[in-house]
Amino acid sequence: QSVLTQPPSVSAAPGQKVTISCSGSSSNIGNNYVSWYQQLPGTAPKLLIYDNHNRPSGIPDRFSGSKSGTSATLGITGLQTGDEADYYCGTWDSSLTAVLFGGGTKLTVL
Amino acid sequence: EEHLVESGGALVESGGSLRLSCATSGFSFSNGWLSWVRQPPGKGLEWVGRIKSKINGGTTDYAAPVKGRFTISRDDSESTLFLQMNSLKTEDTAVYFCATVRWGGAYDLHYWGQGTLVTVSS
Repeated sequence: QSVLTQPPSVSAAPGQKVTISCSGSSSNIGNNYVSWYQQLPGTAPKLLIYDNHNRPSGIPDRFSGSKSGTSATLGITGLQTGDEADYYCGTWDSSLTAVLFGGGTKLTVL
Repeated sequence: EEHLVESGGALVESGGSLRLSCATSGFSFSNGWLSWVRQPPGKGLEWVGRIKSKINGGTTDYAAPVKGRFTISRDDSESTLFLQMNSLKTEDTAVYFCATVRWGGAYDLHYWGQGTLVTVSS
């Protein structure tokens, strides 16, 4: 059971928009930046979003991030079949002095 | 271009030890912070620990399940990161990834290796 809670799965049709939530507490999301990672099947994770809403170079603006209080959200617009992957949120926990990951959300593009 | 390659994964008996390596290139290794992350088969990501650059003290932080058993170290002259794993348990079975902490960040992980599989048998 992860300290950061994500829905196990989400789905949407190609071209549509989807959001993935990540819920934590004041010791983690509430007082630290959130990152998001995409893991395509059989590959290493890739950093999609850092510092709540910033995108590394090369990440399309179809991907967005936001944070409010102790929750964060990843948004993906213009869904493509190539977006089918597992998505993880991550942040620092000040009480545990450790990085935490959410349990992961499997995105299916129908 | 940043490149990370893990090696050293193997099948080991419970209670045994193993040392993983992560050879890197394409970035200023000595100034970088690095982490190990693991992923048990069919499960999610689990942070193992990180090591800061020597200029930032070279200190380490570990996840609770591995603290006291695992040790992260670095060889800046060889641009290589290590993970020494002792007293291995079956629950340590996972693919182990090394990753760079994003430049300017503290814990978000920018570049990743392809992973190496560690299997601990009972």
